[in-house]
Order: sequence, then structure tokens, then C-alpha cells
Amino acid sequence: SAVISQKPSRDICQRGTSLTIQCQVDSQVTMMFWYRQQPGQSLTLIATANQGSEATYESGFVIDKFPISRPNLTFSTLTVSNMSPEDSSIYLCSAGRDEKLFFGSGTQLSVL
Amino acid sequence: DQQVKQNSPSLSVQEGRISILNCDYTNSMFDYFLWYKKYPAEGPTFLISISSIKDKNEDGRFTVFLNKSAKHLSLHIVPSQPGDSAVYFCAASYTSGAQKLVFGQGTRLTINP
Repeated sequence: SAVISQKPSRDICQRGTSLTIQCQVDSQVTMMFWYRQQPGQSLTLIATANQGSEATYESGFVIDKFPISRPNLTFSTLTVSNMSPEDSSIYLCSAGRDEKLFFGSGTQLSVL
Repeated sequence: DQQVKQNSPSLSVQEGRISILNCDYTNSMFDYFLWYKKYPAEGPTFLISISSIKDKNEDGRFTVFLNKSAKHLSLHIVPSQPGDSAVYFCAASYTSGAQKLVFGQGTRLTINP
């Protein structure tokens, strides 16, 4: 399995501010993804984090709101920009290894 | 447009009995299906998967069945144990391997002593 460390584990933020979430994988992986789980909802893919190039965003998600970096094969960040209460969710980093997708423990974000 | 659906938000089963969790999908292009288990404050944990070329895959107490004509899959847990109490997510992808997944809404399984 892959060990994925994600931080912060939770945060409470003010409306209009930004939060950057970090994801560190224990060894190199090809594929990294960012998901969101809104309260009572399923996991929804935000984007694929591409090493050395711009992330690939899913429908309904844009780079200005969720900028993503992936400087190498073990690390990625997701920023939630100009937050509103609707951004209150769990944000999850995931990475692929051995034909499986593994997940970090998530970041519980509450926006006031 | 929910392409992967888990119509039962919750399920309660007696310890030692069989738990059956169901999942339906609408996109016939899906080629690979997975089940994940999630405890509170933790990320989803991979349980078992099945390729569309198979109709059954077994791993210990967990068996996944796939009915492609009905676009339906199910996860059987037998015997059910208290530690199985968690939220179970069905997921699908267009190819096998560590690709992006489409998830169902999840089913909360409670195993009663």
C-alpha cells in the first residue's frame, strides 16, 4: 500500500481567505488526484495533479478557485481560494500504486 | 447525473450474518469496479475490485459480484464482524489500474452484536 500524509487534518477558516493543503506520498507515484466530499455526499474528483504541468480539472472545478501544484512525483498541494461556507468539505488526496488508488486521511475544512 | 448509485444509505446486520451492499451504475463504458471502506476521520481504504471481464472476485470474507447486463454489483461480507461497521463506497473507472474513480454515495453498515 501507499502511505499518504495530508495536512492540515482540519481547519476552521474565515470567509474570503485561502487554505493550502499539502499531500506527501511515501514514494514516487505516477498518478495523484484531489477529491472533495461535501457533507452527506459522495467523493467527487476535483482534478488530476500532473507532475511538472498544469492540473487537469473536472467539470465544475476551475484553476482560479482550486490551484494545484505538483513539483515532483511524491508531493502535491491543493489551495482552496477565496473561501465561502459552501467550500466546507473534506478534501482528500489520493495516489495510485499497484493498480490501486490509495487515500490520505483527508482535511476537514469548515468555513465561517 | 449520478453515474454510480448506492440506493441504501444505511444497512444494519447481526454479527455473524451476511452483509450485502448493492451498487448500480449507468455508464456502460465503466470497465473496472472497486469497493472502499471508510471510518470516520480517515480516508477511504481499498477493499476489493473486479474487472468487467469477470463476474466474481473473492478475497477472504469479501466477495464482489458483477452483473454487467443489469449494470449492478454487490459486495458480500460473511461472516460480518463488529469491525466491519463503516461507510462503504462503490466506485467505477473506465480502465483498470490507479485511474480516476467515480464514487457512489456510500452505505453506512452497522454490525450489531
